[in-house]
Amino acid sequence: DGGITQSPKYLFRKEGQNVTLSCEQNLNHDAMYWYRQDPGQGLRLIYYSQIVNDFQKGDIAEGYSVSREKKESFPLTVTSAQKNPTAFYLCASSRQGLITDTQYFGPGTRLTVL
Amino acid sequence: AQSVTQPDIHITVSEGASLELRCNYSYGATPYLFWYVQSPGQGLQLLLKYFSGDTLVQGIKGFEAEFKRSQSSFNLRKPSVHWSDAAEYFCAGGLKGSGGYQKVTFGTGTKLQVIP
Repeated sequence: DGGITQSPKYLFRKEGQNVTLSCEQNLNHDAMYWYRQDPGQGLRLIYYSQIVNDFQKGDIAEGYSVSREKKESFPLTVTSAQKNPTAFYLCASSRQGLITDTQYFGPGTRLTVL
Repeated sequence: AQSVTQPDIHITVSEGASLELRCNYSYGATPYLFWYVQSPGQGLQLLLKYFSGDTLVQGIKGFEAEFKRSQSSFNLRKPSVHWSDAAEYFCAGGLKGSGGYQKVTFGTGTKLQVIP
């Protein structure tokens, strides 16, 4: 079955530690995205990538970093510079990144900073 | 500013009753509009989308939405709600550009509770 996988489902981190969230897709999509979801705030775009080896900052990129070395993979690193990292993180992909392309979402990773 | 607004944070309906979730948009031109559903602890799934043409759009799971330009609205409806419809619903929108990435902006969501 084609889809998007995110791991782990739950992640706990101590303050001051970097942590990397995994996102893999087998939909052969060019575009991939990372969103952050907080209660009552909807989804906010962290980073997006339309092609391998290229990515752009979204609305709330500070304290986050990404890489796109393979078409299938778009890992997100939450660094110690992120002031309030506890949130639900969603990865998505779409064919090209056009408004007409449906975005497909992974099941999410819930990150908790202890 | 370009935005999508969902005025209702939480809605409770009885099973079998009709449902309408509100969405208002603010764009300089006619936007592309979407409704997504999110079950607890899960990702989002597209219910339906509006690009142009017929203003009444049919989606999956028996949902429909109507685009009303005069009211800047794109409300989601279902004639008879099932307990399995309990979830959070997100309206989203964006404008078509000439190329490259075209941003989708999400509303803050409406949480639907279904009571027996």
